[in-house]
Amino acid sequence: DAKTTQPTSMDCAEGRAANLPCNHSTISGNEYVYWYRQIHSQGPQYIIHGLKNNETNEMASLIITEDRKSSTLILPHATLRDTAVYYCIVRPDQTGANNLFFGTGTRLTVIP
Amino acid sequence: DTAVSQTPKYLVTQMGNDKSIKCEQNLGHDTMYWYKQDSKKFLKIMFSYNNKELIINETVPNRFSPKSPDKAHLNLHINSLELGDSAVYFCASSQASQETQYFGPGTRLLVL
Repeated sequence: DAKTTQPTSMDCAEGRAANLPCNHSTISGNEYVYWYRQIHSQGPQYIIHGLKNNETNEMASLIITEDRKSSTLILPHATLRDTAVYYCIVRPDQTGANNLFFGTGTRLTVIP
Repeated sequence: DTAVSQTPKYLVTQMGNDKSIKCEQNLGHDTMYWYKQDSKKFLKIMFSYNNKELIINETVPNRFSPKSPDKAHLNLHINSLELGDSAVYFCASSQASQETQYFGPGTRLLVL
């Protein structure tokens, strides 16, 4: 799996957009970008994933640069419940490549 | 209604004991996983399993063994528990080996 680099921590004011960056400069053409988060004392939670197009769902938006070497997860209106560790993971979309390699992630703190 | 459930939530035991952690998913998924999250919060894959294949992370001691009585369950048996086994263990499942994984709430194991 391609290695990812994320800032260790970030703060965001409640109600504002949280933009979490991720660098994956060695990503291969068949590797997807996945985002998970882990709220304290809970299991990791899937947020969103994409290959090269930008994606949006009810939780977040994912912006992937044209060269696919970096991406940004956007939480449009952060709430206190969004305080968590956010993991950016790249993995190939092929049978057998089913393991998720979690790095250290970004600890997002939403401030009232 | 819980999609992926684990029991027990907490497990405190003595060194040398044998214990099991149960995992059940009601999502109809065909692949299940076990992850370990240590005290430094690193989350690492231990096993992935479907009805055709068991993939073991080579760093996992053979004291750990997954057992799947049916497609909806993947239990984790641990023999001769050691202090270093203390961690949070997460079960996960996915529809196919490359699809999004959904995690359980975790089992907090403390070996004394």
